[in-house]
Amino acid sequence: SQQGEEDPQALSIQEGENATMNCSYKTSINNLQWYRQNSGRGLVHLILIRSNEREKHSGRLRVTLDTSKKSSSLLITASRAADTASYFCATVVSGNNRLAFGKGNQVVVIP
Amino acid sequence: EPEVTQTPSHQVTQMGQEVILRCVPISNHLYFYWYRQILGQKVEFLVSFYNNEISEKSEIFDDQFSVERPDGSNFTLKIRSTKLEDSAMYFCASSRQAGYEQYFGPGTRLTVT
Repeated sequence: SQQGEEDPQALSIQEGENATMNCSYKTSINNLQWYRQNSGRGLVHLILIRSNEREKHSGRLRVTLDTSKKSSSLLITASRAADTASYFCATVVSGNNRLAFGKGNQVVVIP
Repeated sequence: EPEVTQTPSHQVTQMGQEVILRCVPISNHLYFYWYRQILGQKVEFLVSFYNNEISEKSEIFDDQFSVERPDGSNFTLKIRSTKLEDSAMYFCASSRQAGYEQYFGPGTRLTVT
């Protein structure tokens, strides 16, 4: 089944640094989304990129999509302590409406 | 800002018992979903619901599971006879459009003993 898969890394960075996470997937998609989850809480939608888009920005977030490599990256610039969370990519396949989540990246921003 | 709410926040039940998890989606959303997250694992899709019927379900969503929208605001997930492996965080979500951004509730932690 279609799944997003992040690089299984835990990032620990200093406040003000940039954080980059990667995600790969296996089949053709309609769009790819990134979500944040604070410890033990619900998921919060961050950004969506369609399959015909290559890059998208939202505030301090920048997401790229390479459909030829079936991969995406999420960059958080000028990180803050409040960015400490797990970040998940999720893909949507054409004709479906389910989100297929990856395993998540734990990001810790040290003040 | 409107949000998805879920009750209870934590439910403890004995194996074999029935549980009902409740959700109130965002009022103008048309698509409703249930996901679950076993501790330390991925968030997994269970079922989606549109126009008063299931539109999609995963292999996990077997005959022990059912969903219902009993009135204009609530959306429920019932597990008929709980198993130990049903212990997980269950998330409800809703969206305006199919396949686009989904808004998640805070989750119900289900513990089966």
